[in-house]
Amino acid sequence: EAAVTQSPRNKVAVTGGKVTLSCNQTNNHNNMYWYRQDTGHGLRLIHYSYGAGSTEKGDIPDGYKASRPSQENFSLILELATPSQTSVYFCASGPRVSNERLFFGHGTKLSVL
Amino acid sequence: QQQVRQSPQSLTVWEGETAILNCSYEDSTFNYFPWYQQFPGEGPALLISIRSVSDKKEDGRFTIFFNKREKKLSLHITDSQPGDSATYFCAASADTNAYKVIFGKGTHLHVLP
Repeated sequence: EAAVTQSPRNKVAVTGGKVTLSCNQTNNHNNMYWYRQDTGHGLRLIHYSYGAGSTEKGDIPDGYKASRPSQENFSLILELATPSQTSVYFCASGPRVSNERLFFGHGTKLSVL
Repeated sequence: QQQVRQSPQSLTVWEGETAILNCSYEDSTFNYFPWYQQFPGEGPALLISIRSVSDKKEDGRFTIFFNKREKKLSLHITDSQPGDSATYFCAASADTNAYKVIFGKGTHLHVLP
């Protein structure tokens, strides 16, 4: 079974601080994604990548940066965290040819105080 | 602009009944529609999917009905079980932009014993 591991599982940050959420996949998938999940909004795409060295903006990229240093790792960076970024963040991976199946991690619950 | 809409937001059925979850979309280029199931504290996982060339997809107790002309689809869960209680996301993507998967806001299903 494909595996996507996120760290940390929970994070409390202060307003204005820098936060880095990490994601590792052992599926050898080319595509990786960062979503946030909020009540009433479902899953919204922040950034995605289709290979090492690439990052693309999703639907709600403002306030977030992404980094894909290798096939396996994809990070989401909040340079100046704000309370509005309090959410549950999910990383996912998918094959290059199509997105017929995305594999999600267990999520990171981020609270910005 | 919400491209994938789901209804109802919440649904409660009794064990053994059929649950019907609805989904509609706007972009006519969408041609692949996966449904994801999410349990509390976990990431979403692919449940069943359909391509726009088909009007029905069945997998055990789960069936997708698809109406391309009306841009609507529905997920039917027959003989609902308490273990089916979860959030169900309808999603959509297009082969012309396979990297991007758009999710609906989800339907919370509660199956009472």
